Amino acid sequence: AQSVTQLGSHVSVSEGALVLLRCNYSSSVPPYLFWYVQYPNQGLQLLLKYTTGATLVKGINGFEAEFKKSETSFHLTKPSAHMSDAAEYFCAVSGPNRKLIWGLGTSLAVNP
Amino acid sequence: NAGVTQTPKFQVLKTGQSMTLQCAQDMNHNSMYWYRQDPGMGLRLIYYSASEGTTDKGEVPNGYNVSRLNKREFSLRLESAAPSQTSVYFCASSWGLAGGNTGELFFGEGSRLTVL
Repeated sequence: AQSVTQLGSHVSVSEGALVLLRCNYSSSVPPYLFWYVQYPNQGLQLLLKYTTGATLVKGINGFEAEFKKSETSFHLTKPSAHMSDAAEYFCAVSGPNRKLIWGLGTSLAVNP
Repeated sequence: NAGVTQTPKFQVLKTGQSMTLQCAQDMNHNSMYWYRQDPGMGLRLIYYSASEGTTDKGEVPNGYNVSRLNKREFSLRLESAAPSQTSVYFCASSWGLAGGNTGELFFGEGSRLTVL
């Protein structure tokens, strides 16, 4: 069975600082992994995904994530936070039963 | 580009009242989903429809019914609303189940329901 754990329900960074949002997963088969972003009062939108191939994936708005099989992790990073990055971020995994399992989300605050 | 459209965006109900949330997508997607989002609980799948003509229960189906009216439309009905159903409801769609090969779900903007 698949599961997703996002470490830290709230993360606060200063504008210009590194953003690191942590996601660990469990899966009995090679997973598909996703990060979605939810801006205030909006629906979710795909930020980036890993399916196969290159383990470092780049997404929109300067975000990237690295699939590390040995660590069962898919952490999301951005070198320099911007005020507009303040949002809720969700990690998700899709396994062989083709169901998406969602993490509980991490709320990112960016301080001026 | 409308994408996924949900109506209504806001609704206040009294306990025991019924209502239907409407969802339509214009991307010719096969699969559609209803989620609820509650603070600290992330997204929980209520029902989904893998393709036109099929519907299946998700994690939290009790108190809800769905109808896949056609390929475009997927409605969620609360027959007798309860305060525990106060939540933000999201409709989503995708090419294949769980996003298929692309893994991408497209979400509506949400419907905020309060049950008094």
